[in-house]
Amino acid sequence: EPEVTQTPSHQVTQMGQEVILRCVPISNHLYFYWYRQILGQKVEFLVSFYNNEISEKSEIFDDQFSVERPDGSNFTLKIRSTKLEDSAMYFCASRQPGQGAGEQYFGPGTRLTVT
Amino acid sequence: AQKITQTQPGMFVQEKEAVTLDCTYDTSDPSYGLFWYKQPSSGEMIFLIYQGSYDQQNATEGRYSLNFQKARKSANLVISASQLGDSAMYFCAMRDQAGNQFYFGTGTSLTVIP
Repeated sequence: EPEVTQTPSHQVTQMGQEVILRCVPISNHLYFYWYRQILGQKVEFLVSFYNNEISEKSEIFDDQFSVERPDGSNFTLKIRSTKLEDSAMYFCASRQPGQGAGEQYFGPGTRLTVT
Repeated sequence: AQKITQTQPGMFVQEKEAVTLDCTYDTSDPSYGLFWYKQPSSGEMIFLIYQGSYDQQNATEGRYSLNFQKARKSANLVISASQLGDSAMYFCAMRDQAGNQFYFGTGTSLTVIP
């Protein structure tokens, strides 16, 4: 069964450094998402992406963040100048086209630790 | 305004019993989708069940069913015949009409007691 993959599974970085989190969505999906979950808290929407542009972004997704689909398979989240409070689990998700489409498929997540 | 409310931070259920996890939502969109996800201690998000706002019947997926009461704006998850492996965090989520944004509740931690 096709699945969303994410790399790395765990990333440790120093405050102020840039990180790139990578995701490979399911191949026939056209909508892509990034979420974050601070330890013990709820899942928070960051951004959605369709047709090579951002469809929607939350107030969390400020100028520190950017997303890119550099090729036909990868979908990346870049965090510039990381802060301690960026430490969280970051989930990528994708879904099929069509408003009636049901679930998003989540990747296993990347745990980001900023020290 | 909070879009999804889960009022039960923690629930306990005896193995083989049924349990209901509550979820209420708030939206003015005429069309939306409601979801439940399971998050075990390993951290991954596992899709369980989906209900479209125009679906006439309540969604069911195996031991999971969604008790959708549109007028009350509630979408409770019912797990029948609980198993030890059901112990996890459960998140209710809503997709807006455009499908571009998903809102998650704060989650309910379910513990199944042998």
